[in-house]
Amino acid sequence: IQLTQSPSSLSASVGDRVTITCRASQGISSYLAWYQQKPGKAPKLLIYAASTLQSGVPSRFSGSGSGTDFTLTISSLQPEDFATYYCQQLNSFPLTFGPGTKVDIK
Amino acid sequence: QLQLQESGPGLVKPSETLSLTCTVSGGSISSSSYYWGWIRQPPGKGLEWIGSIYYSGSTYYNPSLKSRVTISVDTSKNQFSLKLSSVTAADTAVYYCARREAEVRGVIFGVDYWGQGTLVTVSS
Repeated sequence: IQLTQSPSSLSASVGDRVTITCRASQGISSYLAWYQQKPGKAPKLLIYAASTLQSGVPSRFSGSGSGTDFTLTISSLQPEDFATYYCQQLNSFPLTFGPGTKVDIK
Repeated sequence: QLQLQESGPGLVKPSETLSLTCTVSGGSISSSSYYWGWIRQPPGKGLEWIGSIYYSGSTYYNPSLKSRVTISVDTSKNQFSLKLSSVTAADTAVYYCARREAEVRGVIFGVDYWGQGTLVTVSS
């Protein structure tokens, strides 16, 4: 199952609402996770099951979608949110990741 | 608090076998209902799932690497390992070990614990 993400990168300001899209090449129900990765660090799980917030993750992060189209939204971008975001499908092996979306400072 | 730590050579020669170990602390690798796996990231690129081993011993590999990959568990040492044979420069990457909880009542979880990652360079 192939995953595409859009945009591949975006520039935004603190306080902006940011939306990242992930599309699967075939239906994956709600079996999608989102991760945040900062330079030199391991990815951090933000959301699983398409819309369930991982424990400890701020509520400004939210996820939605099912089937083939999914969205990660950051309601009010904070300085610590500048990072690269990846989606991952967990519907079937081999598990696959999207190519990533880099969010940087405008 | 569960912690995962990768260890192994940082430099491997082409055509040789890359071997990494992940030591799990703060929890038992024998605990039911978890997948233990490996994910890699070439410098400046995205994430690639390599494979996983279920607590039962079942293994799942990325078809693109399947003929070269072996993942195994050593419960006596609370460790799991990765072996990747016949490496080339394309295998140069940061390798992460990771844990994912298995499905519970229809809920499929993401990878919630990661090691810090270890850079393996393939070069003569």
